[in-house]
Amino acid sequence: KQEVTQIPAALSVPEGENLVLNCSFTDSAIYNLQWFRQDPGKGLTSLLLIQSSQREQTSGRLNASLDKSSGRSTLYIAASQPGDSATYLCAVKRYSTLTFGKGTMLLVSP
Amino acid sequence: GAVVSQHPSWVICKSGTSVKIECRSLDFQATTMFWYRQFPKQSLMLMATSNEGSKATYEQGVEKDKFLINHASLTLSTLTVTSAHPEDSSFYICSATNRVFGYTFGSGTRLTVV
Repeated sequence: KQEVTQIPAALSVPEGENLVLNCSFTDSAIYNLQWFRQDPGKGLTSLLLIQSSQREQTSGRLNASLDKSSGRSTLYIAASQPGDSATYLCAVKRYSTLTFGKGTMLLVSP
Repeated sequence: GAVVSQHPSWVICKSGTSVKIECRSLDFQATTMFWYRQFPKQSLMLMATSNEGSKATYEQGVEKDKFLINHASLTLSTLTVTSAHPEDSSFYICSATNRVFGYTFGSGTRLTVV
């Protein structure tokens, strides 16, 4: 059974810092990995999708990498802003099933 | 882009009553919809997968008679929590998918059973 772990569970940084969120998964036979953002009491917003054949994806200040063989992905956020405060979830897909980690709760203080 | 509308965004109901949550794909046809449940500070747990025109597939441990899922059209799936109890209080999120847009999530429904 696929298990997805996210480290750290919570992170608090001052504005402007670069930061890295980690995601690991136990079964490397995945189709893709996706990073989402969830604001309190809200649904999920897709940030980046990395196919299993890809190594990384970039969108603005966000960069996600994937090392499928080692079962790891990182989400890099450059020059963090208070508006980045949210919970970040990673999810891996195999067949039609998405398996989520518990998320990293990020707080960026002004 | 793909938009999924979930309604209501929050609901409070009395114990023993039933609550219906709707999930609509607004600008695309969703071949498959998923229903998730999320407890505070926990990850999303898949409850069931519904395909248009067929019975939903429930995950292990999810009572299909309690959580009724209907996917009558390619744009609408509903989740009905029957005879709700306080332990059913949770955040429910739906997701719709098709081959073009991949996964798109609704904004979630906060259910509180009193």
